[in-house]
Amino acid sequence: DQQVKQNSPSLSVQEGRISILNCDYTNSMFDYFLWYKKYPAEGPTFLISISSIKDKNEDGRFTVFLNKSAKHLSLHIVPSQPGDSAVYFCAATPSGGSNYKLTFGKGTLLTVNP
Amino acid sequence: DGGITQSPKYLFRKEGQNVTLSCEQNLNHDAMYWYRQDPGQGLRLIYYSQIVNDFQKGDIAEGYSVSREKKESFPLTVTSAQKNPTAFYLCASRVGAYQPQHFGDGTRLSIL
Repeated sequence: DQQVKQNSPSLSVQEGRISILNCDYTNSMFDYFLWYKKYPAEGPTFLISISSIKDKNEDGRFTVFLNKSAKHLSLHIVPSQPGDSAVYFCAATPSGGSNYKLTFGKGTLLTVNP
Repeated sequence: DGGITQSPKYLFRKEGQNVTLSCEQNLNHDAMYWYRQDPGQGLRLIYYSQIVNDFQKGDIAEGYSVSREKKESFPLTVTSAQKNPTAFYLCASRVGAYQPQHFGDGTRLSIL
């Protein structure tokens, strides 16, 4: 039973345009959400997070939106750059991670074309 | 530089052998984790440790073992009981709640 779902395995956008990566979750106990970026043969790099008390968090070109009623979050990258090409993982944890466990989606491969 | 070091980067195992993957962190983080990634899949939790001398099974612990004798170190042993060990293994650590996990660069394990 997949508790965190990234339904788009891949996404292709033009340089300078907006990239929108989506993530849905089923566990209503999740209250802290994270996005990671991963290049091949490397470990994931933390990008941005959001707790359930917020509906938006912004860091430079990256913005995460959380819709708790729809159990949906999205990552917006504006403007997209070729260096953003990577696999993006959505992750979630309950109770602020008090049990220290993250549940990951399967990832979305973003390709930014010059 | 503070970070998480995984070694070796590539590891080969013969059938029936146990192998141990190293994970060391100098971030002074209490919690450490081991994940497995298979092609086209997300990260799946194998084991995690919130504190020295204590660890818990994750979602796919069968065929694996860990120890946490020091805060900085959390080695993972892939035993011969793990029937499909070929994967990319990632170690992570975290300082506390509402904080992100930080990852090492991984070890790719292959069966000869």
